[in-house]
Amino acid sequence: EAGVVQSPRYKIIEKKQPVAFWCNPISGHNTLYWYRQNLGQGPELLIRYENEEAVDDSQLPKDRFSAERLKGVDSTLKIQPAELGDSAVYLCASSGEEGLANEQYFGPGTRLTVT
Amino acid sequence: GNSVTQMEGPVTLSEEAFLTINCTYTATGYPSLFWYVQYPGEGLQLLLKATKADDKGSNKGFEATYRKETTSFHLEKGSVQVSDSAVYFCALSEQPSGYSTLTFGKGTMLLVSP
Repeated sequence: EAGVVQSPRYKIIEKKQPVAFWCNPISGHNTLYWYRQNLGQGPELLIRYENEEAVDDSQLPKDRFSAERLKGVDSTLKIQPAELGDSAVYLCASSGEEGLANEQYFGPGTRLTVT
Repeated sequence: GNSVTQMEGPVTLSEEAFLTINCTYTATGYPSLFWYVQYPGEGLQLLLKATKADDKGSNKGFEATYRKETTSFHLEKGSVQVSDSAVYFCALSEQPSGYSTLTFGKGTMLLVSP
């Protein structure tokens, strides 16, 4: 079974430029999460989707961050414009059946460097 | 709010040594507790979990017991291997079932030398 796929794995951009990350969750998983992991820290939730609905986006900086999951499958996270402080690893995770809902499966992440 | 505190790393051990990584938590309800492991260049993988007090999670020789009285979930392994070198994250989830988000600790790096 394929795991959570993310692309790109690495991205280097200059500040004020836009950037987008893509995630394809495990097939059949209805819940999708985007986390940000700063250096030396644990992941912190940015947004959670149930199918195509964003049910928890309270930690998403909405002035510059946006996300979508139009068909309830893959998802895109965008930053526009990027700031130096956005340098981090952006992780996508998914989870499936309710009984195992807390078992989140993580992708390898996208390491963003803003210069 | 919820929070997780882990011992700071790195933890440096020789192969076959005993491992303990401390984790304590603060939660308003009755959380589920998790240990995730992150190998270099890879995503986080669920190592083990416990959903109620006194439950013991175990996997690959690692184990942790949910201690409600001390709000702890310490990770242990009797004999570590070089391949166990990774970053270990303790985490909690507010709800024992249903969809919920994870609150992570800062992670503890484990380095095992031959």
